[in-house]
Amino acid sequence: GQQLNQSPQSMFIQEGEDVSMNCTSSSIFNTWLWYKQDPGEGPVLLIALYKAGELTSNGRLTAQFGITRKDSFLNISASIPSDVGIYFCAGQTGGTASKLTFGTGTRLQVTL
Amino acid sequence: GAVVSQHPSWVICKSGTSVKIECRSLDFQATTMFWYRQFPKQSLMLMATSNEGSKATYEQGVEKDKFLINHASLTLSTLTVTSAHPEDSSFYICSARDSGRWNEQFFGPGTRLTVL
Repeated sequence: GQQLNQSPQSMFIQEGEDVSMNCTSSSIFNTWLWYKQDPGEGPVLLIALYKAGELTSNGRLTAQFGITRKDSFLNISASIPSDVGIYFCAGQTGGTASKLTFGTGTRLQVTL
Repeated sequence: GAVVSQHPSWVICKSGTSVKIECRSLDFQATTMFWYRQFPKQSLMLMATSNEGSKATYEQGVEKDKFLINHASLTLSTLTVTSAHPEDSSFYICSARDSGRWNEQFFGPGTRLTVL
């Protein structure tokens, strides 16, 4: 089946640093989504991208939908301790009502 | 925002028994809900799509007779793990799709299942 590969797998950064992670696919997606999952919780949507080339921000988070529709990146600026968690990308091949395929995840640790 | 709850939040059962997990959309109606399984340090894997009033659609490799899904109302879907075995121990997460919010899926807090 389809697989979304995320890199890096894990990151250890200092508070205040910027973070960048990306997600790549061998096939095209029509929608890209970025989620954050805290330990023992379900994922929470951070940013949704609906058009190739789209660049969207949500506070300190910025994400872009790659022009080829096979990749996306997420940037976090000026990281803070509560940014700790696992970040997942997810894609939809059909419309917004279609099922999600999740990426492999990027684990973020922030040190003071 | 939209809220999805799951019950129980954790359950421990003996091998061979069945366990039912509930997923509820608290402030919206969901004709479609999804069930995911997440093993430690892994991603979420879709198990099945639950449709209100009709049979669930299972992903390849997921046994429909072992993971029974019932979506009897617009706010409730249940997943029953039948004859559970230790390898079924996992974190089960549901999501509910809100057609009134651009089909965004809202996730429940998950249910940790441990089979002894």
